[in-house]
Amino acid sequence: GQSLEQPSEVTAVEGAIVQINCTYQTSGFYGLSWYQQHDGGAPTFLSYNALDGLEETGRFSSFLSRSDSYGYLLLQELQMKDSASYFCASDSNYQLIWGAGTKLIIKP
Amino acid sequence: SQTIHQWPATLVQPVGSPLSLECTVEGTSNPNLYWYRQAAGRGLQLLFYSVGIGQISSEVPQNLSASRPQDRQFILSSKKLLLSDSGFYLCAWSVSQLAGVSSYNEQFFGPGTRLTVL
Repeated sequence: GQSLEQPSEVTAVEGAIVQINCTYQTSGFYGLSWYQQHDGGAPTFLSYNALDGLEETGRFSSFLSRSDSYGYLLLQELQMKDSASYFCASDSNYQLIWGAGTKLIIKP
Repeated sequence: SQTIHQWPATLVQPVGSPLSLECTVEGTSNPNLYWYRQAAGRGLQLLFYSVGIGQISSEVPQNLSASRPQDRQFILSSKKLLLSDSGFYLCAWSVSQLAGVSSYNEQFFGPGTRLTVL
């Protein structure tokens, strides 16, 4: 089967750094995407890793290791507005396979 | 620029009633289109996707159906709703392979329809 595993919840302090991990088991793997979803809203695209290594986009970075079937999303200088759910997803055969999401709780 | 419209925003329907949710995309041609359902506090479940007019792929056996009567229109339907059909329904699009660059990984979502079946 195809599956992506990520922690259900992560708590961090405003201004800190947090890492959200994702391990995957999918066939026909092309790359790993990350999406953010605020409560009641729709998911929005954050980043995509097709190759091993780190991709940086402002305060957010995403990492992929194909040999370990593992990736993570790194959020720096956390702000209260970063409180949301974060999903990893792998693309395969015209579609995305989604993880269950990680709820990021940020404390002041 | 591209925009995606989805309506209605919320819907309360009795069990056994029909359903029709509509999604339209503007500003792009021949997009890949998707219907997802999300239960509260859960991930996204892909219901249907379409790579062209009249081409629908179903991922999960269910009492829902989808149609793509026009290039940028995607409709989700049911003849008789079940309680288990309640959820947050999301339509999304991505750039198609025909546009030269395949990009299934970057999907753009509509605002969603929150459906409650009573």
